[in-house]
Amino acid sequence: AQSVSQHNHHVILSEAASLELGCNYSYGGTVNLFWYVQYPGQHLQLLLKYFSGDPLVKGIKGFEAEFIKSKFSFNLRKPSVQWSDTAEYFCAVNARGGGSQGNLIFGKGTKLSVKP
Amino acid sequence: KAGVTQTPRYLIKTRGQQVTLSCSPISGHRSVSWYQQTPGQGLQFLFEYFSETQRNKGNFPGRFSGRQFSNSRSEMNVSTLELGDSALYLCASSASGTEGGQPQHFGDGTRLSIL
Repeated sequence: AQSVSQHNHHVILSEAASLELGCNYSYGGTVNLFWYVQYPGQHLQLLLKYFSGDPLVKGIKGFEAEFIKSKFSFNLRKPSVQWSDTAEYFCAVNARGGGSQGNLIFGKGTKLSVKP
Repeated sequence: KAGVTQTPRYLIKTRGQQVTLSCSPISGHRSVSWYQQTPGQGLQFLFEYFSETQRNKGNFPGRFSGRQFSNSRSEMNVSTLELGDSALYLCASSASGTEGGQPQHFGDGTRLSIL
């Protein structure tokens, strides 16, 4: 069965610090990869997505993620976080074809707290 | 463009009852997916409907069912409610559905509490 692992449950950073949130998935076939963010009191929003092509994808608000196929990873990065980045971040995977169900599998999420 | 609308926002039920949740997707979106979010299990996929047909189903018991109407609005029904069904139920819509890899747009969810 497919699964998504997010290594950190809660990350606390000071403003201007760099951020890297880990995400690994288990699935041997072709995948679509997503990072979603949930700000306090708001609904889930798409940060960025990878379907194919350049493995380094850029999203909104200065976030980027790199797909490393050999490591089954899709880590999220931001060079300098702001207090407004305080939120919960979810990595998600959608397997393509090969008899998979094609549903979106989410990691458990990482809560990011940024201290002003 | 209006976002995904879920009603009601909050529901309180007792064990053994049944409940129906509603979701109106973004205009033009034909795929609607449902997820259950709990602190322990995180976000878990329930099912996806596309053009009134259930296209994908997660690992939930048969008490969880859904349907989609011709205007793409979807309803989710849970029968014989159990305490463990207390959760935030999220609806997401996309243009082509998860098979096409299109990103999903989420609603605010319905918070279901079982007493």
